[in-house]
Amino acid sequence: GAVVSQHPSWVICKSGTSVKIECRSLDFQATTMFWYRQFPKQSLMLMATSNEGSKATYEQGVEKDKFLINHASLTLSTLTVTSAHPEDSSFYICSASRGLTSGEQYFGPGTRLTVT
Amino acid sequence: GENVEQHPSTLSVQEGDSAVIKCTYSDSASNYFPWYKQELGKRPQLIIDIRSNVGEKKDQRIAVTLNKTAKHFSLHITETQPEDSAVYFCAARRGQNFVFGPGTRLSVLP
Repeated sequence: GAVVSQHPSWVICKSGTSVKIECRSLDFQATTMFWYRQFPKQSLMLMATSNEGSKATYEQGVEKDKFLINHASLTLSTLTVTSAHPEDSSFYICSASRGLTSGEQYFGPGTRLTVT
Repeated sequence: GENVEQHPSTLSVQEGDSAVIKCTYSDSASNYFPWYKQELGKRPQLIIDIRSNVGEKKDQRIAVTLNKTAKHFSLHITETQPEDSAVYFCAARRGQNFVFGPGTRLSVLP
């Protein structure tokens, strides 16, 4: 159990367009979902934390109007990169957690975004 | 906020030897410490974790130790194999927030 999927796995888009990435928990209810960004050979940088039905909490330096997060259900969270630019190119990974007391988070396979 | 440091950044060992990776954290309220293994282009996979009320945990060739007083925890891999080669990340969790270390690239040489 505890499988998290992410779609798409790879996307190329033109500068100025928007891209939506979906994160789904397939066999459990995810009270909390996390969105990370990872540059090559670097660690995971938390972008935002979202709880089902409430607004996401963004980390310092992450523009909430540029990276729109929606966590409408206990199994789905979406990240929309609006007006993408080449510097937004990165590996975006989501993770899901059953709740505060469970501790463990389960990662999606990641989405590689390339903005041309 | 929480700050997690990890050493070394790269580690090469001969197959069969042991590997040790160390992490320190700054927030004494952190209470959950997972270790993840990430292969190139793939998702991080949880390999072992420890909670703040435990000092040591072992799972076959992998063990983690936690020193709450010193605020550091370590990953120990014994009898290393080439398939252990990957990037390893430690993390510390306080409430909902996870903070990751910068990672250690482990290479196991045959």
